[in-house]
Amino acid sequence: EPEVTQTPSHQVTQMGQEVILRCVPISNHLYFYWYRQILGQKVEFLVSFYNNEISEKSEIFDDQFSVERPDGSNFTLKIRSTKLEDSAMYFCASSPTSSGVFRGTQYFGPGTRLLVL
Amino acid sequence: AQSVSQHNHHVILSEAASLELGCNYSYGGTVNLFWYVQYPGQHLQLLLKYFSGDPLVKGIKGFEAEFIKSKFSFNLRKPSVQWSDTAEYFCAVNAGENYGQNFVFGPGTRLSVLP
Repeated sequence: EPEVTQTPSHQVTQMGQEVILRCVPISNHLYFYWYRQILGQKVEFLVSFYNNEISEKSEIFDDQFSVERPDGSNFTLKIRSTKLEDSAMYFCASSPTSSGVFRGTQYFGPGTRLLVL
Repeated sequence: AQSVSQHNHHVILSEAASLELGCNYSYGGTVNLFWYVQYPGQHLQLLLKYFSGDPLVKGIKGFEAEFIKSKFSFNLRKPSVQWSDTAEYFCAVNAGENYGQNFVFGPGTRLSVLP
């Protein structure tokens, strides 16, 4: 069964450094998402992406964040200058066409645990 | 804005006990409802989902959930839990009208099943 994959599984970085988190969504999916989960807290929406542009973003997704689909398979989240409070698990998700039985269902990757020191 | 609440932060049960995890949401329009499970060290996996039709939906591993529109609830149930059900359970909602809508997650309920 196809899965969403994410790399790296863990990343440690210094405050102020740039990080890029990578995701490979399921190949025929059209919608892509990033979520984060700070330790002990709930999963929070960051951004959704469709048709090569951001379709929606949350308050968390400020100017320090950006997303890109540089080729036909990867979907990346970049944090330009990391802060301590960016430490979290970051989940990528993808969703197929929104019609029919799969409408709205999102398939999640295993996550990247980011630690900012 | 949509919000999702889950009644219990941590539930501890013995094997073979029955399970019910509460989920309530606030949103005035059409919604899609989901339960995801996160086993220790693993990613979020879809347990079941409701879009329309029969409000009682069955998912994987013997789980089911009932959508009660009047109560804005979507509680998860399992008649007899196993030790392997130990995990964190998340209720999630997205708006039903528009495609590609992001999820709003509840805070999660940690289930510990004692052997």
